[in-house]
Order: sequence, then structure tokens, then C-alpha cells
Amino acid sequence: DQQVKQNSPSLSVQEGRISILNCDYTNSMFDYFLWYKKYPAEGPTFLISISSIKDKNEDGRFTVFLNKSAKHLSLHIVPSQPGDSAVYFCAAERKGGSEKLVFGKGTKLTVNP
Amino acid sequence: NAGVTQTPKFRVLKTGQSMTLLCAQDMNHEYMYWYRQDPGMGLRLIHYSVGEGTTAKGEVPDGYNVSRLKKQNFLLGLESAAPSQTSVYFCASSPPFRQKNTEAFFGQGTRLTVV
Repeated sequence: DQQVKQNSPSLSVQEGRISILNCDYTNSMFDYFLWYKKYPAEGPTFLISISSIKDKNEDGRFTVFLNKSAKHLSLHIVPSQPGDSAVYFCAAERKGGSEKLVFGKGTKLTVNP
Repeated sequence: NAGVTQTPKFRVLKTGQSMTLLCAQDMNHEYMYWYRQDPGMGLRLIHYSVGEGTTAKGEVPDGYNVSRLKKQNFLLGLESAAPSQTSVYFCASSPPFRQKNTEAFFGQGTRLTVV
């Protein structure tokens, strides 16, 4: 049973435009959400996170939105750059709970020049 | 500033052989994890540890064993390798999740092929 779902395996956008990556979760106990970025032949690296007490967190070109009632979060990248081309993983955890970080299957973003 | 280091980076095994993957972190993190990444499957948790001397099963533990004898090391063992264990393995470490603003740091990965 997949607790974190990224239903779009891939996304292609034009340089300079907005990239929106989506993630849904089923476990209402999750209270912290993270996005990781992964380039080929490298390990995932942390990008941005959001606590369940917030609905938005911004870091430069990256913004994560959380809709708890819909159990949905999204990552916005504005403006998108070719260097953003990577696989993006959504992850969720429950602080003080099972201590496990659960990942989605990932979305491969391609930003075309 | 090494972070999380995985050894080896590549390995080819024959079916039935055994091997150990080593993960070392120098950030004094309490928690350590082993994930495997397969095409279209994302990152799946194999085993994890919340402290020295403790281990727990993740989502896909069968065929693997782990040990955390020292805080900085987390070993993943394959006793009898099978072709289904062909994958890219990632180790990660993190401070306890009860702390604020924590995230997991990943190693570069180990690409294992079982023939």
C-alpha cells in the first residue's frame, strides 16, 4: 500500500516557465514533508521541506504548498532552468512516530532550453 | 567533509554469493537507513536503525540483514544473492526526527548486479 504517491512519472517544461510537481499521501499521521532531487549516478539531495502546521514554504525559486485536507502537496519551480532537470522525490515522515521516511516513486523533470 | 560514504560503488555478484555493503557517516547522526531504488519503484526502505545496536525492518527486508555495531557505520548484508536483488542501494543518515528541520543525507549509491 503506497502511502506517498507521485502519479506523474515525468514532466517536461520549457526553460523560464513554471514546473509543478505533485504528490499525494494517504497517512494522516504524516506531519513533515520533504522534496529530494536526484541526478543520475548520484544520491538524492534535500531540496525543501514543510511542516504540517504550515501551508507554504519558499526557498528561492522553490516553493512547496501543502493542502492537508486534500492530503496533497506540490513543488513549484519558478523560473525553471535546464539544471533543474532531475528526478524529484516527495517524502513524508511522522515526527516522534515510526521514525521512517517514506518516499514516492519520483517524477522525472526535463527542462528544455 | 565526507558526509555519507558507501563502499563499494559497483559490484557484480553471482547468484548465491554473499556480500556486505558498508555505509559510514561522519555527522554523528542517530538514524541510518538502507534503501533500494529500482526503475519505476522509487526508493524503498530495506532496513533502518534509530541508534547504535538497534535495527528494524523496512518495507522490503527479505533477503537482507543489517548491523549497527558502531554509531557511524551501518552494514547491509546479502547472504545469498539473487537476481531480484539487482538494484542501486542508497544509504542515508539523519538526526532524530523529533528534532526540528531535519532531513536525511544520502550516500552516492552502490550499483549491484546479480548474474
